[in-house]
Amino acid sequence: GAGVSQSPSNKVTEKGKDVELRCDPISGHTALYWYRQRLGQGLEFLIYFQGNSAPDKSGLPSDRFSAERTGESVSTLTIQRTQQEDSAVYLCASSSQGTAYEQYFGPGTRLTVT
Amino acid sequence: RKEVEQDPGPFNVPEGATVAFNCTYSNSASQSFFWYRQDCRKEPKLLMSVYSSGNEDGRFTAQLNRASQYISLLIRDSKLSDSATYLCVVARYGQNFVFGPGTRLSVLP
Repeated sequence: GAGVSQSPSNKVTEKGKDVELRCDPISGHTALYWYRQRLGQGLEFLIYFQGNSAPDKSGLPSDRFSAERTGESVSTLTIQRTQQEDSAVYLCASSSQGTAYEQYFGPGTRLTVT
Repeated sequence: RKEVEQDPGPFNVPEGATVAFNCTYSNSASQSFFWYRQDCRKEPKLLMSVYSSGNEDGRFTAQLNRASQYISLLIRDSKLSDSATYLCVVARYGQNFVFGPGTRLSVLP
């Protein structure tokens, strides 16, 4: 079946612009997660959705970052007024209780802020 | 102290070798445990979940020691294709996933 998809795969933007990243989870997966991975670094948790609500936003690094999920499906991560330190790969994963919350990742969006 | 710690690596081993990865976690409330592998510039892929009784999948064996808060992964008869970074992951209640920093493995011909 179809896995997690993310778009765009690459995004180059100028400092100060807003960007929107999209994640399409595996159909039927109720949980959705966003992570950030800087070059050569580990995964940094950003936000978790259960259905359309976000019980854990603790990883969002600043108020420039926001995310939403609609229809218990697609999620968008928005970064406002991008900074160079936002450059990273943004990874989305989905999971379901039925599979013991094993997470399946999308290919990521590589964001470069110039 | 980091919530999940792993061997710093890298590990360079010859084909056919057995290699062991160690991971410790600090939150005793952790309930779910996983090993993922991540190839260079790719997304993490689930290798296996780790169960209390230990589990095996072909050449891969995972063990969990809740008392010591320790997880291990053993790879037997390593192949060139096993070269990757191995990530230890712990979670609570299907959320609060914490990824370890990873241990890089290079299997050499």
